[in-house]
Amino acid sequence: DAGVIQSPRHEVTEMGQEVTLRCKPISGHDYLFWYRQTMMRGLELLIYFNNNVPIDDSGMPEDRFSAKMPNASFSTLKIQPSEPRDSAVYFCASRVQGAGNTIYFGEGSWLTVV
Amino acid sequence: DQQVKQNSPSLSVQEGRISILNCDYTNSMFDYFLWYKKYPAEGPTFLISISSIKDKNEDGRFTVFLNKSAKHLSLHIVPSQPGDSAVYFCAASVGNTGKLIFGQGTTLQVKP
Repeated sequence: DAGVIQSPRHEVTEMGQEVTLRCKPISGHDYLFWYRQTMMRGLELLIYFNNNVPIDDSGMPEDRFSAKMPNASFSTLKIQPSEPRDSAVYFCASRVQGAGNTIYFGEGSWLTVV
Repeated sequence: DQQVKQNSPSLSVQEGRISILNCDYTNSMFDYFLWYKKYPAEGPTFLISISSIKDKNEDGRFTVFLNKSAKHLSLHIVPSQPGDSAVYFCAASVGNTGKLIFGQGTTLQVKP
């Protein structure tokens, strides 16, 4: 069974550039989460979707961040313009309603903004 | 406002001994708790969970204890193995949204 698939795995970009991270959740899962991991703040929830609809985006740090889920099998997290403090590992995760609160993570996208 | 706290950034134990990882929380509405394990360059993987209606859950070498009055949970690994060396995250949620709030993580090193 395919797990959560994220791309790119690694990205190095210059400050001011647009960054787009992509996620394919596990087939049949109806919740999708975007988390960010940094040394200072640990794993923090940015936004989550239920049935492709954003439910809680209170963790999105600022307007430079946006997330979309155009269909059940694809989501993007976009940063425009990027800044060095956005350097982190971004994880996508998914779960299915009725199977407890366990969420399943992808391997992460390592972003470095120079 | 850190609702879930893991106050020990790291822990080192000898192979075969017990590892005890601790987690404290502040939100009394949390009703489900999970532990995740994370190896370098990989995503966190689910390890074990416990509902607030229980005070203990066991799965093989892993046991999670919940003390609701103290708002504290712990993960016991017995016996510890070198392959258990990883970062362990405690997480908590309210209701059935799957919205997990994570602690900062504890790096466990098990020495052969």
